[in-house]
Amino acid sequence: SQQGEEDPQALSIQEGENATMNCSYKTSINNLQWYRQNSGRGLVHLILIRSNEREKHSGRLRVTLDTSKKSSSLLITASRAADTASYFCATDASVFSGGYNKLIFGAGTRLAVHP
Amino acid sequence: DAGVIQSPRHEVTEMGQEVTLRCKPISGHDYLFWYRQTMMRGLELLIYFNNNVPIDDSGMPEDRFSAKMPNASFSTLKIQPSEPRDSAVYFCASRQGSSYNEQFFGPGTRLTVL
Repeated sequence: SQQGEEDPQALSIQEGENATMNCSYKTSINNLQWYRQNSGRGLVHLILIRSNEREKHSGRLRVTLDTSKKSSSLLITASRAADTASYFCATDASVFSGGYNKLIFGAGTRLAVHP
Repeated sequence: DAGVIQSPRHEVTEMGQEVTLRCKPISGHDYLFWYRQTMMRGLELLIYFNNNVPIDDSGMPEDRFSAKMPNASFSTLKIQPSEPRDSAVYFCASRQGSSYNEQFFGPGTRLTVL
C-alpha cells in the first residue's frame, strides 16, 4: 500500500486564492518531499522538509510537518493559473525500512486554478 | 544539462510483443529509479539501482519485467511478453547521493499495449 495519502484528491480554486493540500503517511520518516506534475510531464521537485523540521518556506510555498500526527501540508499562496498541476507528497523512510534508500509517493492532489 | 532522457516517448505495441524502454540518467547521479504511473495505481516504484547495481526490485510486478543498468549512463526496462494491463506511463528518475537530495524525473514513456 502507498505510504503517503493526499487529501483532497482534487481541488478547484480561483486565481489569487490559497490552495492547501494535505498528506498523511504511516511509518516514521527521514524526510518528506513535495513534487509537482504538469499534465503529460515528469515530476518536478518542489521542496523537502526533514523529520526534525516543522515548517519550511520556498517562495509562495509553505510546507508543514507534524510527525506526531504523521501528516504534512503544502500551502500555495496567491495561486496562479500556471499552478494548475498534480501535487504529490513522497516520504523517505529508509532508516526505518531496512535501509532501502527510496521515496514512496502518494496518490496526488489534482489542483485546478481558474483565471 | 539535458536532464534525464527517456526513449521512446510513445510506444504502441500488440499484446505478446517485447517492449524495451530506455533511460539515460543525469551525469554523475548514482541512483536510478524506474516508476510506473496509472490512474488506478498511481505512481509505483518498480526497481532502483545504486552504482549500476539493482538494490530493490520488489516493485517489479512479474517475471515478464526485467531491468538492467550495464553502465552509469544507461538503463533499460524490458517487458516480455507485453500485456494490455502493462499500458501506463513509465518514468525514469535519477538522483545524486542520499535521499535528502531531490530526484530528477524524465519526461516518461507512454506505453499502449493493444
